[in-house]
Amino acid sequence: DAGVIQSPRHEVTEMGQEVTLRCKPISGHNSLFWYRQTMMRGLELLIYFNNNVPIDDSGMPEDRFSAKMPNASFSTLKIQPSEPRDSAVYFCASIYYLNTEAFFGQGTRLTVV
Amino acid sequence: RKEVEQDPGPFNVPEGATVAFNCTYSNSASQSFFWYRQDCRKEPKLLMSVYSSGNEDGRFTAQLNRASQYISLLIRDSKLSDSATYLCVVNRYPAGTASKLTFGTGTRLQVTL
Repeated sequence: DAGVIQSPRHEVTEMGQEVTLRCKPISGHNSLFWYRQTMMRGLELLIYFNNNVPIDDSGMPEDRFSAKMPNASFSTLKIQPSEPRDSAVYFCASIYYLNTEAFFGQGTRLTVV
Repeated sequence: RKEVEQDPGPFNVPEGATVAFNCTYSNSASQSFFWYRQDCRKEPKLLMSVYSSGNEDGRFTAQLNRASQYISLLIRDSKLSDSATYLCVVNRYPAGTASKLTFGTGTRLQVTL
């Protein structure tokens, strides 16, 4: 298996533009997590899904953020409109079942100018 | 109060030293615990799970104190290659069947010659 795949690896966009981050979890994993990492706040859990259903989105900072998981092999995180303070590394991770190892993608480094 | 708290460091130690990291968690419903390692500009990866009885993996020893809600990681005979950020991770199941992984902000370790 190729592991968790995120795209794009880097994204530079202008303030106000829509940004879509993509994630393909490891096949067979049933939970998917979106995290945001900054120097100041560390790794923050934004939202997570179990069997494609959103379980907890309390970490999503504002209504500008939305996430979907239309099927077991694909998830998106959308920011609309983007702002400079959204600049961070966004990680997607997937897990097979309770108490097992979470595998991370390589992250998307987002810069909003 | 953050759900998982760690001393951010940095810890600067000479090669061969023993170093210990601590972590506290606030939710007593937390069920399982892990240490992850993150190298600069890379994704986090599992270092080891933490069991109530304590566990050891080579030079690394992890311990859990449920009564004090405290987790520790001990690294003996530090190597240059141990330089990284160490993330404390707490897992609980607020929705019954789905894991919620919460990360600490990480403790940075720098091992020097």
